[in-house]
Amino acid sequence: KNEVEQSPQNLTAQEGEFITINCSYSVGISALHWLQQHPGGGIVSLFMLSSGKKKHGRLIATINIQEKHSSLHITASHPRDSAVYICAVRRGSNYKLTFGKGTLLTVNP
Amino acid sequence: EAGVTQFPSHSVIEKGQTVTLRCDPISGHDNLYWYRRVMGKEIKFLLHFVKESKQDESGMPNNRFLAERTGGTYSTLKVQPAELEDSGVYFCASSQGWRGSPTDTQYFGPGTRLTVL
Repeated sequence: KNEVEQSPQNLTAQEGEFITINCSYSVGISALHWLQQHPGGGIVSLFMLSSGKKKHGRLIATINIQEKHSSLHITASHPRDSAVYICAVRRGSNYKLTFGKGTLLTVNP
Repeated sequence: EAGVTQFPSHSVIEKGQTVTLRCDPISGHDNLYWYRRVMGKEIKFLLHFVKESKQDESGMPNNRFLAERTGGTYSTLKVQPAELEDSGVYFCASSQGWRGSPTDTQYFGPGTRLTVL
């Protein structure tokens, strides 16, 4: 079992829908990252969280340290949001990231 | 400011050949990381440089992989000889932060897709 589990693996939505992607982890962490990768593109860091909630535009990320769980929400989804969303965690002062397998989001017009 | 760049973007080689991947981090970033995603699996850590020193190479799969960062600027990852299972996308990332800094963000390059036939 991976240290970082994401759900769902695949998600198809209609434009305008509210999207939630979940990430659970089994180890103590110092930070959790949400990353985005468009088809054929590089990886972009969306958020880094160690507690609470962060918002950027239509994207919201939350984390519950006690429950070892984080969610990434997309409001008013758009076809350009179609991408793989990846959760990654950092443990203590160790810099290396441990990744989930990613969630492939497809938003249809 | 230029981001992390990687070269080549795609490499196709035959089993047994040698390939060298290059990563240029963001200027001023002391930390440089190599990661790899093989088909159907999650991205996995390979190693971490702080300046020119290997801080953590626990993810390097075997001694066919050699990473260097001479002068603490760009880094190369050499695979020699390449095997079929080495196929995947190799990502490089860099960060500025200090050890333990909770605000350290890793900036990723576009990746190099390696195909070993």
